[in-house]
Amino acid sequence: GAVVSQHPSWVICKSGTSVKIECRSLDFQATTMFWYRQFPKQSLMLMATSNEGSKATYEQGVEKDKFLINHASLTLSTLTVTSAHPEDSSFYICSARGLGGGSVTGELFFGEGSRLTVL
Amino acid sequence: AQTVTQSQPEMSVQEAETVTLSCTYDTSENNYYLFWYKQPPSRQMILVIRQEAYKQQNATENRFSVNFQKAAKSFSLKISDSQLGDTAMYFCAFMNYNTDKLIFGTGTRLQVFP
Repeated sequence: GAVVSQHPSWVICKSGTSVKIECRSLDFQATTMFWYRQFPKQSLMLMATSNEGSKATYEQGVEKDKFLINHASLTLSTLTVTSAHPEDSSFYICSARGLGGGSVTGELFFGEGSRLTVL
Repeated sequence: AQTVTQSQPEMSVQEAETVTLSCTYDTSENNYYLFWYKQPPSRQMILVIRQEAYKQQNATENRFSVNFQKAAKSFSLKISDSQLGDTAMYFCAFMNYNTDKLIFGTGTRLQVFP
């Protein structure tokens, strides 16, 4: 099946710094990627939809200036948590839809997730 | 807005037995997809089974099957012959036919005991 990879898998940073998380589709081109946030023992909450070559669409309540999303190519989307604070500590997961594929089958492919800890 | 409800925070089952996880959802849409995802300790989300709303026949994937009741907006997952490797969080999810936005339930933690 299709592979989506995230990097880094775990990052620790100091409060006030910015952290970038990458989401790559390794063996297919992803026109659309999605970013989710998952708190411990909770469900995944969609943060934003990232479309290649255009601005991301953020879900209600998600600060676009806080969580910068860039989808510069068909295989890479990045999430940058700016001026991170301890409350931003969470597990961030991306998923990707392939060209003409995922939306037809209804299947998205998920990355392994990235754990962010802000001290 | 669509919502997905999983009323069982935790379930347990003995190896080789059968267990059913419940899921209900709310939507005014007629065309949509329903999914069950598995999230093991590694945190990688794995698709278990998918159901298209327009199909009356319940989806089946090996030991996994669903009971899809469209009128009741119910979508339960049955795991037969449970295995230790089935231990994981299970999320029920809804997707509108025209978007790829997944709306997840709160999850059910399944523990399979030897």
